[in-house]
Formats: sequence, C-alpha cells, structure tokens
Amino acid sequence: DIQMTQSPSSLSASVGDRVTISCQASEDINSYLNWYQQKPGKAPKLLIYDASNLETGVPSRLSGSGSGTDFTFTITSLQPEDFATYYCQQYVNLPLTFGGGTKVETK
Amino acid sequence: EVQLVESGGGLVQPGRSLRLSCIGSGFTFGDHPMSWFRQAPGKGLEWVGFIRSKTYGGTTEYAASVKGRFTISRDDSKSIAYLQMNSLKTEDTAVYYCSSALVLITLGGLIAPYRDSWGQGTLVTVSS
Repeated sequence: DIQMTQSPSSLSASVGDRVTISCQASEDINSYLNWYQQKPGKAPKLLIYDASNLETGVPSRLSGSGSGTDFTFTITSLQPEDFATYYCQQYVNLPLTFGGGTKVETK
Repeated sequence: EVQLVESGGGLVQPGRSLRLSCIGSGFTFGDHPMSWFRQAPGKGLEWVGFIRSKTYGGTTEYAASVKGRFTISRDDSKSIAYLQMNSLKTEDTAVYYCSSALVLITLGGLIAPYRDSWGQGTLVTVSS
C-alpha cells in the first residue's frame, strides 16, 4: 500500500496568513493526488485534483503543486472559511489512501 | 447539481449485518462509479471500496479491512448504491460516506473514480 504522510498534523494561523501543508507519498504517484477540505460534522469536499487543478468553484487563493512523491497545498491569504482539516489522497493504486490530515486552527 | 443522500445507519451489535443506501440525483447515475468511504470518530478518512459503472463491467474493489465482509452493489434504475455490511466489528464504527465520480484510467491501467462528490454521511455504531 502507498503511505501518504502529511505535515504538520496541525497548525495555528491568522486571517491573511500564508499556509502551506506538505504531503509525501511512499512511492512515485505521478500527479494522481487529491486535496480535500473537511469542516466539523461535514463531508469532505474536493478542492484540488491531479495535484494542481482547482475543482470548479474553488477560490484561486488555494493551490497545489508537486509530482512524484512530494506535494504541497497552499493558501495564499487565509480566510475565515478556510479553518478546517485538509487531507491529501492518492489514486494511482489501490487501495486509495489518505494522509492523516492537517487541522488549520485560529491562532 | 450532484446530490447524494446516505441512509440506513444506526446502532448494531457485533457480528450482525447492516445495509446502507446512497441515492443520487442531479446526474446520470448509471454512468458513474460509486464509492464508499468511512471515518471513525475523531479519526481520518478511510477508503472502503467502489463499484464501477456497467460500462466498465460493474466490477468492485475493496479495502483489505472489509474484503469478504462488505459488498457494494448498485441499482441504476433507482439511482441507488448499496453497502451491505456483514459480520460487523466494533472497529467498523464510523460515519460512512458515499461518493460519485468521473472515471479515470491511469497510466497503469487502473479504472478508478476521479473528481468525486460526497454525500453527507450516515453514522454506523457497532456495539453490544
């Protein structure tokens, strides 16, 4: 199975801050990577697919980059609605696997 | 707009069975693979399995943790996907989500769900 390692597991930030989350795959996954956002009590929402493509309706302050084994998710200017938990997920091989999540909290 | 509504969750004893349903609307249900995911209380996300569309044989794939106990099926005439869960264990306690997706064929030939939308989830509690 492909292991997905996210860091940090949590971070504290303020509105307007730049936030960066890392995701590392245990083997080459090309660009077969999703980023999801989940708010408490809600279902995950797909933000980015193919490592860097924004899903329809996702604001441009969110972005993804990387290929192979190392990936980054960035929020350029954190907004109040961005406080949530973020997960990466690979879909190059079965089983589909997720990172452990990164909780973005208010400082 | 894609809408997915799960139902069938509840409290069940270990060793018993439960069937979850996921009804879809706002899209041509039969053209899309349907997946199930779960999230144990306070934990991260886990893939459970998916069923491909009839175009791709309607075949299924499962996580090792549920293979042989869980079965995914679909009734395209009713726009419903099912997750039949047998021999339930306490560690199956989770919110179960269904999702619909587009189809991706990876460079390695895997036919997999792609760019998915999720339902709101239904809670399954396995406890005596």
